[in-house]
Amino acid sequence: EVQLVESGGGLVQPGRSMKLSCAASGFTFNNYDMAWVCQAPKKGLEWVATISYDGSSTYYRDSVKGRFTISRDNAKSTLYLQMDSLRSEDTATYYCARHGGVADYWGQGVMVTVSS
Amino acid sequence: DIQMTQSPASLSASLGETVTIECRASEDIYNGLAWYQQKPGKSPQLLIYNANSLHTGVPSRFSGSGSGTQYSLKINSLQSEDVASYFCQQYYDYRTFGGGTKLELK
Repeated sequence: EVQLVESGGGLVQPGRSMKLSCAASGFTFNNYDMAWVCQAPKKGLEWVATISYDGSSTYYRDSVKGRFTISRDNAKSTLYLQMDSLRSEDTATYYCARHGGVADYWGQGVMVTVSS
Repeated sequence: DIQMTQSPASLSASLGETVTIECRASEDIYNGLAWYQQKPGKSPQLLIYNANSLHTGVPSRFSGSGSGTQYSLKINSLQSEDVASYFCQQYYDYRTFGGGTKLELK
């Protein structure tokens, strides 16, 4: 069974950093691209970042370029999202997703609240 | 960037009714379209990919159609467990989601 379990969320002050993790199991992690998708409270979904199966290629939405870094450790079957210079508008639930063209499996999500 | 316009934003329907949700792309996305269902308090779940292919385990009352810039999701014989928000997403040119449709029971 495919499982994606996010961790690392919480309350953080504007301008500070936070790192999210996503532990994957139930599939061959290093065969799949992976992604982070966010959802602000009561809002729609937004694609945040994608990383290729081997980590050689990454993509970021414009609003997070230069502030967020997606990475992965295939030996640990874990996906990461390093979020720096956080802003109030980054407040959202962040989901990791297995990304084979479409997001075919999602984690349960982790809430990140950016507030002073 | 490709924009996705989804309609309606909200919808109220009765049990057993057929429901249709539309999604329009700002340019041709060549069937690179997926539909997701998100139940309250839960993460999204993939329903349809490639515009009309049913994801594993999805009930056959869900179907997708369309081409070019116009796509739709149809739910036949609405069930209570279908109460959810539905999102379209294009993946022809990177990834963009529609704004979502909240489906409620009448």
